[in-house]
Amino acid sequence: QQQVKQSPQSLIVQKGGIPIINCAYENTAFDYFPWYQQFPGKGPALLIAIRPDVSEKKEGRFTISFNKSAKQFSLHIMDSQPGDSATYFCAALAGGTSYGKLTFGQGTILTVHP
Amino acid sequence: KAGVTQTPRYLIKTRGQQVTLSCSPISGHRSVSWYQQTPGQGLQFLFEYFSETQRNKGNFPGRFSGRQFSNSRSEMNVSTLELGDSALYLCASSLNGQGAPGANVLTFGAGSRLTVL
Repeated sequence: QQQVKQSPQSLIVQKGGIPIINCAYENTAFDYFPWYQQFPGKGPALLIAIRPDVSEKKEGRFTISFNKSAKQFSLHIMDSQPGDSATYFCAALAGGTSYGKLTFGQGTILTVHP
Repeated sequence: KAGVTQTPRYLIKTRGQQVTLSCSPISGHRSVSWYQQTPGQGLQFLFEYFSETQRNKGNFPGRFSGRQFSNSRSEMNVSTLELGDSALYLCASSLNGQGAPGANVLTFGAGSRLTVL
């Protein structure tokens, strides 16, 4: 019940394409859903985050779509660039006493070809 | 504003040894969480500290321990190292560890890469 399932494991798109990464969860106590981007040799960096009372959030070229009833959320990257090539992780955090405990998906390796 | 600083960045140990990793959080952040990242298991939560108290703990053996000092800096220790402990150890800080937009998001450091031979 604590898992967050992420797909696909890897994704290759051409520059300007719109990669979509999907995540699903079971634990209805999750109430905060961030996406992190990680480059080789670096720690994960927060991209965008959403709460379940919002169905969509946009920040620049990144959009989160959230479907509370289906317990699914996804990341869309508009006009993708080679510099977006990285590993992307969805995550979830439960309210209450789950201090600092993000549950991560397995990650998606995104490659954007020029 | 300085980010989360982790030291050392790289270290090599042998089986049976112990290791101590350090994390300096963003100024003003009082919550520090630790994660282990491996290719097979991904990112897994180790524990969280706030005001020198461990508030949350993941499913790791007792060989993994941590502490937090009054200035919010944190250390984690792994005793009796095993080959499987080879990983990137990440520290994240936030205001209170409860996750939220703005300043309370969890911000990660670059990690300490531990290799156990």
